Amino acid sequence: EADIYQTPRYLVIGTGKKITLECSQTMGHDKMYWYQQDPGMELHLIHYSYGVNSTEKGDLSSESTVSRIRTEHFPLTLESARPSHTSQYLCASSPRGAFGYTFGSGTRLTVV
Amino acid sequence: GQQLNQSPQSMFIQEGEDVSMNCTSSSIFNTWLWYKQDPGEGPVLLIALYKAGELTSNGRLTAQFGITRKDSFLNISASIPSDVGIYFCAGQNYGGSQGNLIFGKGTKLSVKP
Repeated sequence: EADIYQTPRYLVIGTGKKITLECSQTMGHDKMYWYQQDPGMELHLIHYSYGVNSTEKGDLSSESTVSRIRTEHFPLTLESARPSHTSQYLCASSPRGAFGYTFGSGTRLTVV
Repeated sequence: GQQLNQSPQSMFIQEGEDVSMNCTSSSIFNTWLWYKQDPGEGPVLLIALYKAGELTSNGRLTAQFGITRKDSFLNISASIPSDVGIYFCAGQNYGGSQGNLIFGKGTKLSVKP
């Protein structure tokens, strides 16, 4: 049973609003990741973290920002949402030295 | 950076048929993994392969880690409607940012009852 939680599951928001997508895991994993995925399409890594106070940008440039103040929490923030940010955002985690990730169920974001 | 070529991009098959998909890379990996993503959900790990030549089964699923460490395949036998989804291969190495998973672009499977 995956112990990684994303909220909200669905979000419809107006252009220009600030939003934060939440991701929490109870497994004590050091590494956490954010992926952006358009429907039925490939996964794009936008941010990752190897531990508290560690954050890196991924392969796909994103206007979002992340923070890692606590091991279990890795929120993603968009300061000013735009329609181009409409997508599914997936959070994942893994323990240090292990292979494979555990994914959350995702947040489907629609900016109108 | 490293890229994985996953094929086919999509498959539309009849229930009961066997399915085969594969992934190739220009560089080697220490681990190959196969994930399935149901509609509206996050990917779930199906099979992990840790050794070149390894053949591993999980129910109707069978996956192999290629001898060259540059490829892997996944077979699904006797498909059923709940096999519908997107299947992703992923390669992984040790250490630092190179320890991040590299994902293929996915194979979208549709099963006709």
